[in-house]
Amino acid sequence: DVKVTQSSRYLVKRTGEKVFLECVQDMDHENMFWYRQDPGLGLRLIYFSYDVKMKEKGDIPEGYSVSREKKERFSLILESASTNQTSMYLCASRGQGQNIQYFGAGTRLSVL
Amino acid sequence: QKEVEQNSGPLSVPEGAIASLNCTYSDRGSQSFFWYRQYSGKSPELIMFIYSNGDKEDGRFTAQLNKASQYVSLLIRDSQPSDSATYLCAVNRNDNNNDMRFGAGTRLTVKP
Repeated sequence: DVKVTQSSRYLVKRTGEKVFLECVQDMDHENMFWYRQDPGLGLRLIYFSYDVKMKEKGDIPEGYSVSREKKERFSLILESASTNQTSMYLCASRGQGQNIQYFGAGTRLSVL
Repeated sequence: QKEVEQNSGPLSVPEGAIASLNCTYSDRGSQSFFWYRQYSGKSPELIMFIYSNGDKEDGRFTAQLNKASQYVSLLIRDSQPSDSATYLCAVNRNDNNNDMRFGAGTRLTVKP
């Protein structure tokens, strides 16, 4: 079974803090994704990566950056957290040539 | 117009009934369609995918696709209380596996 692990289930941070969300997958997938999920808006893509050190902006990259130094790990960084970044963050991965994305358990981030 | 539209619900059906969940999409180039189930506070899990027009059955679940009408649906037969969840429709926009668009989800409640 594909396993996508997000390091934290719940996080509470203060406005202006730098926040790191970590995601690790164990299936040697080339593609990894970060989404945020808000009520009524569904999942929106923040960034994705198709290879080590490669990244592409999604629909809502503003205020976020990402890092992929190793194939299995994809990190989402909030450089200076703001209250409007309070959300559920979901990481996903997908193997090359496949079209199914597998999701981690999610991190519920609250920025106070 | 949202790219993937779902009725937010809640949709309530009695145990043993058929639940019908609907989704429309705007991009005619889409070729792959997915249904994810998401329990409250959990991550989305894939339950069905469909690529071709017509019906695809898997146990109590049937996915139906009509590309001409840009419509995809999910039928759940013999609904159980454990089916109570939010169901997300997802579409690969322009057949790009890195560009998956999600609906906001339909909340289903199955009453015993």
